[in-house]
Amino acid sequence: EDQVTQSPEALRLQEGESSSLNCSYTVSGLRGLFWYRQDPGKGPEFLFTLYSAGEEKEKERLKATLTKKESFLHITAPNPEDSATYLCAVQAADYGQNFVFGPGTRLSVLP
Amino acid sequence: DAGITQSPRHKVTETGTPVTLRCHQTENHRYMYWYRQDPGHGLRLIHYSYGVKDTDKGEVSDGYSVSRSKTEDFLLTLESATSSQTSVYFCAITEFSSNYGYTFGSGTRLTVV
Repeated sequence: EDQVTQSPEALRLQEGESSSLNCSYTVSGLRGLFWYRQDPGKGPEFLFTLYSAGEEKEKERLKATLTKKESFLHITAPNPEDSATYLCAVQAADYGQNFVFGPGTRLSVLP
Repeated sequence: DAGITQSPRHKVTETGTPVTLRCHQTENHRYMYWYRQDPGHGLRLIHYSYGVKDTDKGEVSDGYSVSRSKTEDFLLTLESATSSQTSVYFCAITEFSSNYGYTFGSGTRLTVV
């Protein structure tokens, strides 16, 4: 069964149109939830780590939040440079060294 | 990305041939990982290393072997390539075993024909 899911699979926004991406997980013993950005033809780029429910992190137009079952990546007033695939990953006690990645959300921001 | 390089960037090989991918880091990080990325599956861990000559299997290790004879180099070998191993392979490094994000290489696109 899927342990980390992301929605939507793809999202198209107009420039300036704020929205949120979702990452849901079904694990116990969460050690950390990670957000990455991936541009076409490149490796993922680390954005945030969240450790416990209620925690929030911000970077420029991005804000990540965490609950006991899911995380949201809020994008405020995006521009076309924010177009990318956003990945979340979970590390938990059950997985040992393995970070379990979600399939990603492809974000397109149109000018 | 600065500090981690993968080679080759692209490779086409025939079914049944051996293939070795290289990951080289200049950060002196202890932990190194090999992932594969396929549409609809996300990134999946193949093998990882927690030190020189110390390696362990990940989620999708069948058909792959690894070696780490120096801190800076982590090699991934496909002993006899199959079409199901056509994928994009990423190497990643981190200083600590948990709670820190990875730094990823730029990837190797491997096609097995």
